[in-house]
Amino acid sequence: AQKVTQAQTEISVVEKEDVTLDCVYETRDTTYYLFWYKQPPSGELVFLIRRNSFDEQNEISGRYSWNFQKSTSSFNFTITASQVVDSAVYFCALSEAVDGGSQGNLIFGKGTKLSVKP
Amino acid sequence: DAGVTQSPTHLIKTRGQQVTLRCSPKSGHDTVSWYQQALGQGPQFIFQYYEEEERQRGNFPDRFSGHQFPNYSSELNVNALLLGDSALYLCASSDPLTSRSYEQYFGPGTRLTVT
Repeated sequence: AQKVTQAQTEISVVEKEDVTLDCVYETRDTTYYLFWYKQPPSGELVFLIRRNSFDEQNEISGRYSWNFQKSTSSFNFTITASQVVDSAVYFCALSEAVDGGSQGNLIFGKGTKLSVKP
Repeated sequence: DAGVTQSPTHLIKTRGQQVTLRCSPKSGHDTVSWYQQALGQGPQFIFQYYEEEERQRGNFPDRFSGHQFPNYSSELNVNALLLGDSALYLCASSDPLTSRSYEQYFGPGTRLTVT
C-alpha cells in the first residue's frame, strides 16, 4: 500500500532559523514520483518540487533544498534562513506511474504546519 | 495565462441536498483531478477525468460523481449530502503529454459546509 507520513504536525521557528520538514513514504513500485506542496492560509496548494524515483540528486532552489534518500524512503525539505512568509502548511505527496507512464493520483501526507515568528 | 479556477468559492448546503462544483483547468491542460480536504488533513483523491471519461477513482462512494466537458472543464456532483462531506474541494489540472505531466496545478478550492 502507498502511504506518506509527515510525523511533524506543527513546527514553530524564529525568523532566520533553518528548518527541516520530514517526509517518509511507502510504495511497492519501482517507478514513482514525490512532491512537495505549500498551502498558505488562502487554501491554494502551490507546487514546489517533483522528484522521480530514479533521480536521487538533491536539489536546491534559493532558500529551499530537498534531500531524497531511497535507502530510508525519505524526501525531506529544508528551508534555510526562514522568513515569516514561509508560514504555511507543507504537504509531501507520492504518485505512482500508471498507464505506461502517465501520472497516478497524488497521495498526500497529513501536512506539517510551519509557523515562522518575527 | 489563467491558472486553475473553481466556482463557487464558498457554499452552504443542508443535509440531503445535492451540490455541483465547477473547475476550469489551466490553459493547455486536459486532465482534471478532484480532491477532498477535510479540516486539518491532507487532500484525498476523489477521481480523475481525461478525454471526458473517468480514468481513476479513489475510495469515495457513488454519491460522488463527475463530468468533463469537451473544453476540458469539469464538474463534481455530490448527492445526498452528509455532514461529513463538509470540506475544501480542490481541483487540479495537468497535461499528460508534456515532460511536466506529473505536475498537478491546483485551484483555490471550494469550501463546502453542510449543516
